[in-house]
Amino acid sequence: DGGITQSPKYLFRKEGQNVTLSCEQNLNHDAMYWYRQDPGQGLRLIYYSQIVNDFQKGDIAEGYSVSREKKESFPLTVTSAQKNPTAFYLCASRAGAGYYGYTFGSGTRLTVV
Amino acid sequence: DQQVKQNSPSLSVQEGRISILNCDYTNSMFDYFLWYKKYPAEGPTFLISISSIKDKNEDGRFTVFLNKSAKHLSLHIVPSQPGDSAVYFCAASVGNNDMRFGAGTRLTVKP
Repeated sequence: DGGITQSPKYLFRKEGQNVTLSCEQNLNHDAMYWYRQDPGQGLRLIYYSQIVNDFQKGDIAEGYSVSREKKESFPLTVTSAQKNPTAFYLCASRAGAGYYGYTFGSGTRLTVV
Repeated sequence: DQQVKQNSPSLSVQEGRISILNCDYTNSMFDYFLWYKKYPAEGPTFLISISSIKDKNEDGRFTVFLNKSAKHLSLHIVPSQPGDSAVYFCAASVGNNDMRFGAGTRLTVKP
């Protein structure tokens, strides 16, 4: 079945450490997105990528980095510069021009301990 | 700047009755609107959408209404079922650019 796989489902990080969240899709979608969900704030866009080897900052990119070396993969690194990284992270993809809806992964809950 | 707003964090209705979830937006350039449903610890799933050239779209028990002059849309669920209990997100985009989401409304349907 086609879909988006996010791993791990739960992740714990010590303060000062970088951590990478995985996002893989087998939908052959062009565009991929990372959102962060905090209580009462909905989903906020961190980074997005419309094509391989290209990505753009979203509304809250500070303290995060991404890469898009393959169409299927869009990993997100939460760096030590991110001041409040504890959140639920969602990866999404979209087929491309003319397609409006996103397909979401099941999310990764990151907790800083 | 929150361009999409869902002012009701929660809504509780009785099974069989109508659920009405509301959403307001500020960006008049938005031309495509979607509703997503989310269960705990899962990603949102697409529910229904509407483009700005329409004022109503219906899919089974779900109907979305768009009032462009008021920059307001609503999702009606009739009849509501306990399985509809979830968080509902309103989202909007300009063309197929990146989407903006509201904060969500938690719907509880009581048996």
